[in-house]
Amino acid sequence: SQQGEEDPQALSIQEGENATMNCSYKTSINNLQWYRQNSGRGLVHLILIRSNEREKHSGRLRVTLDTSKKSSSLLITASRAADTASYFCATDTNNQGGKLIFGQGTELSVKP
Amino acid sequence: DTEVTQTPKHLVMGMTNKKSLKCEQHMGHRAMYWYKQKAKKPPELMFVYSYEKLSINESVPSRFSPECPNSSLLNLHLHALQPEDSALYLCASSLTPVGGERVYEQYFGPGTRLTVT
Repeated sequence: SQQGEEDPQALSIQEGENATMNCSYKTSINNLQWYRQNSGRGLVHLILIRSNEREKHSGRLRVTLDTSKKSSSLLITASRAADTASYFCATDTNNQGGKLIFGQGTELSVKP
Repeated sequence: DTEVTQTPKHLVMGMTNKKSLKCEQHMGHRAMYWYKQKAKKPPELMFVYSYEKLSINESVPSRFSPECPNSSLLNLHLHALQPEDSALYLCASSLTPVGGERVYEQYFGPGTRLTVT
């Protein structure tokens, strides 16, 4: 079963605008990760936030985690056409022995 | 070298064929993964190898047979596949399996696009 649910499923914005994607999950987690996937390619790790962290930044990326609401958000600031991709959250739960559970993903389109 | 390589990039096979997918990494990672991904869906975990031993099999049909000959290589042997097995097959690796206090991101290969006819 899918742990993560993401919204929106698809997001279309203009270059320079900010993009926000949300992820909700159901069980307690060790950490939450965000990955990007360009069409038909492998996934690229973007950022990891641990369960005891509330916010993390990496370049134009800002991730928040609210464990009380079991939710996370990924903010991409000043978006570029090259940010066009699918974005997935993935959760790592206790005692899963190597298992990441991916959300359904948000398909982001940034128009030049 | 932070790359996971996969061969072939594309594979078309009939339902009676036997083929293999290959994955290689030279990052010293001790956990390797196979995922299956359908169009517009998230990756679904198939197998996890931890220190060259199969640690997770997500109830994958026996027509998929994984093999980890050494810490750098991961194979997926395919036999008697069905058309619904057509998908993008992704290999990934991480320093050690996720879980517990040590947490590591997964590095993904570009995938093999498999079509079963």
